[in-house]
Amino acid sequence: TQLLEQSPQFLSIQEGENLTVYCNSSSVFSSLQWYRQEPGEGPVLLVTVVTGGEVKKLKRLTFQFGDARKDSSLHITAAQPGDTGLYLCAGYSNTGKLIFGQGTTLQVKP
Amino acid sequence: KAGVTQTPRYLIKTRGQQVTLSCSPISGHRSVSWYQQTPGQGLQFLFEYFSETQRNKGNFPGRFSGRQFSNSRSEMNVSTLELGDSALYLCASSPQGQNTEAFFGQGTRLTVV
Repeated sequence: TQLLEQSPQFLSIQEGENLTVYCNSSSVFSSLQWYRQEPGEGPVLLVTVVTGGEVKKLKRLTFQFGDARKDSSLHITAAQPGDTGLYLCAGYSNTGKLIFGQGTTLQVKP
Repeated sequence: KAGVTQTPRYLIKTRGQQVTLSCSPISGHRSVSWYQQTPGQGLQFLFEYFSETQRNKGNFPGRFSGRQFSNSRSEMNVSTLELGDSALYLCASSPQGQNTEAFFGQGTRLTVV
């Protein structure tokens, strides 16, 4: 069974701090997707990383796909309260299911 | 382009009843997947439909079923509701399913009392 493990599960930081969220697996994924979800809403797709070693930037968010395509990270620079939410990584299993990590709940305090 | 639409947004049902949830995917998308999200279990895959056929199924009991219509709209049904079925049910649409980007609706919050 392919699994995605995220760490940390919870993160509470002050505005302006930097943070990194990790998404790891023992399996190779052809691509990984990152989502952000706010309470009571559906996840919103942030980015898809496809190539091993790829780095994508979305304003203050930097996403990296591991060289072996088994892991990914999300780095936020100078976090703001608007970044608060649940961050999820997801990838397609070899049976075609889109599977998710358990998520990282981020709280950014003003 | 309109996004993924799920109806209803909120639902309260009694144990033993059944419920039907609806999902209208993004125009042109042929794959619709359903997920159950609970605080303890995270996002759990229920099933995927592609061109009116169930292509993938998660590890849920037979009380959970679904279907897809020729216009790609999908419904999921839960029969004989249990308290543990209380959750946010999410629908995601994608052009082809596997290895294509998935876009979610706002979800249906089901509460079983």
